[in-house]
Amino acid sequence: EVQLVESGGGLVQPGGSLRLSCAVSGFTFSTYEMSWVRQAPGKGLEWVSYISSSGNTIYYADSVKGRFTISRDNAKKSLYLQMNSLRAEDTAVYYCARWDLPELCFDSWGQGTLVTVSS
Amino acid sequence: QSALTQPASVSGSPGQSITISCTGTSSDVGSYNFVSWYQQHPGKAPKLMIYEVSKRPSGISYRFSGSKSGNTASLTISGLQAEDEADYYCCSYAGSSTYVLFGGGTKLTVL
Repeated sequence: EVQLVESGGGLVQPGGSLRLSCAVSGFTFSTYEMSWVRQAPGKGLEWVSYISSSGNTIYYADSVKGRFTISRDNAKKSLYLQMNSLRAEDTAVYYCARWDLPELCFDSWGQGTLVTVSS
Repeated sequence: QSALTQPASVSGSPGQSITISCTGTSSDVGSYNFVSWYQQHPGKAPKLMIYEVSKRPSGISYRFSGSKSGNTASLTISGLQAEDEADYYCCSYAGSSTYVLFGGGTKLTVL
């Protein structure tokens, strides 16, 4: 069974940093591309970042470019999101999601971890 | 990176059919047949319902179908059931610069 489990969310002050993790099981992590998708309270889904299976190709949404860094450790079967210079508008549930090829869709999702940016 | 446009809400009675539209541009929906749809119940993670415009993953009911014309994709749910009440999001691949766009979401109410 495919499982994605996020952790690392919490309350952080504006300007602060947080590192999210996503531990996966049930599939060969090193062969899949991955993304982070977030959802602000009461709002829709917003794609945040993408990383290729090898980690060599990375993309970011304009709203987080220069502040967030996506990475992965294929040996540990884990995906990460380092979030710096956090703003109130970054408050959201952050989901890790498996990006399926060649279908180009998110075929598996974690349960999400809540990040709250507030003083 | 503008979001795809969906109606905020739609509704239908049990047994009826509804259609949710998703309008993008010639740079995303209009250029690629990589439109997917997700169902999200309150407090739950999104679930893939349709991929590549009209394909259903294993285990998804035949009542869910997708189509596309030009820059607009559509999700149709036939034979509405109470458990279909949820939020629905469209998603499109948008090329290597923008990469992925979501729609703003549509709340489906089963009357």
